[in-house]
Amino acid sequence: QVTLRESGPALVKPTQTLTLTCTFSGFSLSTGGTSVSWIRQPPGKALEWLARIDWEGDKYYSTSLETRLTISKDTSKNQVVLTMTNMDPVDTATFYCARMLWSSGWTGFDYWGPGALVTVTS
Amino acid sequence: EIVLTQSPGTLSLSPGERATLSCRASQTVASNFLAWYRQKPGQAPRLLIYGASTRATGIPDRFSGSGSGTDFTLTISRLEPEDFAVYYCQHLGSSRWTFGQGTTVDIK
Repeated sequence: QVTLRESGPALVKPTQTLTLTCTFSGFSLSTGGTSVSWIRQPPGKALEWLARIDWEGDKYYSTSLETRLTISKDTSKNQVVLTMTNMDPVDTATFYCARMLWSSGWTGFDYWGPGALVTVTS
Repeated sequence: EIVLTQSPGTLSLSPGERATLSCRASQTVASNFLAWYRQKPGQAPRLLIYGASTRATGIPDRFSGSGSGTDFTLTISRLEPEDFAVYYCQHLGSSRWTFGQGTTVDIK
C-alpha cells in the first residue's frame, strides 16, 4: 500500500536552514505521471502548497517562497527532500508531503504523510 | 498565479442538513483542474473531489462537486458527524498548486 512519512528536526533556530525528508513506499517517482509535493500548515491556519517534483525531475515552487526553497528526489531511496533557508518563527508549521497522479489531468493529493511539526525558536 | 477565495468562512449547520461551500478563482481554471479536501482536527487532509466533480476513491455520494470557469461548489447533501471539519479547495494548475483559505463547517 502507499505510505509517505516526513522526517526532520522538530526544532530549528532562526536563520537556520531546514531540511525535511519524505520517505515513501508503494509507488515509484520514476513512474510517468507521478508527483510529490510539500505542503505546510501553521497552527490553526490554512494549508499552503510549497513545492513539487515530478517523475521527470521537473520542479515547481510557490511564488512567494521560491527564493528559499529547494526540492530534490532520490528515486533509488524513494525519498524527496525539501530545504528551506533562513527560517523564521513565522515558518513554524506542520509540514506534509503528499502524492499526486496525472490521469487526463492532475487528480489531487490522494495520499499524505502524517505531518511533521517544525517549531522555529531561539 | 490563481488565487482561490472560499466562502463562507464558517458554516454552522446541524447533522442531516445540506452544506453548500463556494470556491471562487481569480482567473479561469482550465479544464476544471480543481480539487476539494476535508481536514479533521489533528489529521492530514483527505481528498474528496478532483476535476471539479469526480469523487475520489471511497468517497460517499453525499459529496458532490460542480462548477466551471471561476466558480466552484462543494455540496454535502446530508451532514454526518464526521463532516464537521475544515474544507479546502485547490487549483491544480500546470505548474503551481494553490489552496483556498478554507471553510469551517461546525455544529449549530
